[in-house]
Amino acid sequence: DVKVTQSSRYLVKRTGEKVFLECVQDMDHENMFWYRQDPGLGLRLIYFSYDVKMKEKGDIPEGYSVSREKKERFSLILESASTNQTSMYLCASSLLGVSKNIQYFGAGTRLSVL
Amino acid sequence: DQQVKQNSPSLSVQEGRISILNCDYTNSMFDYFLWYKKYPAEGPTFLISISSIKDKNEDGRFTVFLNKSAKHLSLHIVPSQPGDSAVYFCAAHRRDTGTASKLTFGTGTRLQVTL
Repeated sequence: DVKVTQSSRYLVKRTGEKVFLECVQDMDHENMFWYRQDPGLGLRLIYFSYDVKMKEKGDIPEGYSVSREKKERFSLILESASTNQTSMYLCASSLLGVSKNIQYFGAGTRLSVL
Repeated sequence: DQQVKQNSPSLSVQEGRISILNCDYTNSMFDYFLWYKKYPAEGPTFLISISSIKDKNEDGRFTVFLNKSAKHLSLHIVPSQPGDSAVYFCAAHRRDTGTASKLTFGTGTRLQVTL
């Protein structure tokens, strides 16, 4: 079974703090993704990566950055957390290739910024 | 611009009856569609998918129908069971996004199956 592990289930941070969300997958997937889920807005793509050290902006990258130093690990960084970044954050991974569209998700990190 | 729309935020169905969840899309470049199911405090899990070259795909109690001319797909669950109570997301893949397999998700429909 594909396993995508997010390091924290719940996080509480203060405005202005630098926040790291970590994600690890064990299936040697090339693609990794970070989404946020908000009520009424569904899942929105923040950043994705299709290879080590490669990254591309998604639909809502403002206020976020990412790091992919190893194939299995994809980190989301909030440089200076703000209250509007309070959300559920979901990491996903998938195989490379146009036909391999299925993404596998972690359990999510619920972040509260106070 | 919401390219994938799920216009019903919630749906309530009796156990044993059919659940029909709907999804509309606007971009004709979408070539593959997926349904995900999400329980509270868990990540979404893949349920069923369909390629744009097909109009139906079936897997046990779950069937997805695609009407390309109407840019509409639906997920049918027959018979519905209490364990099906979850939020269902429709997702679509664009053929011009290369190998990264980016998906565009809808806003979700919360299904409640009552006894």
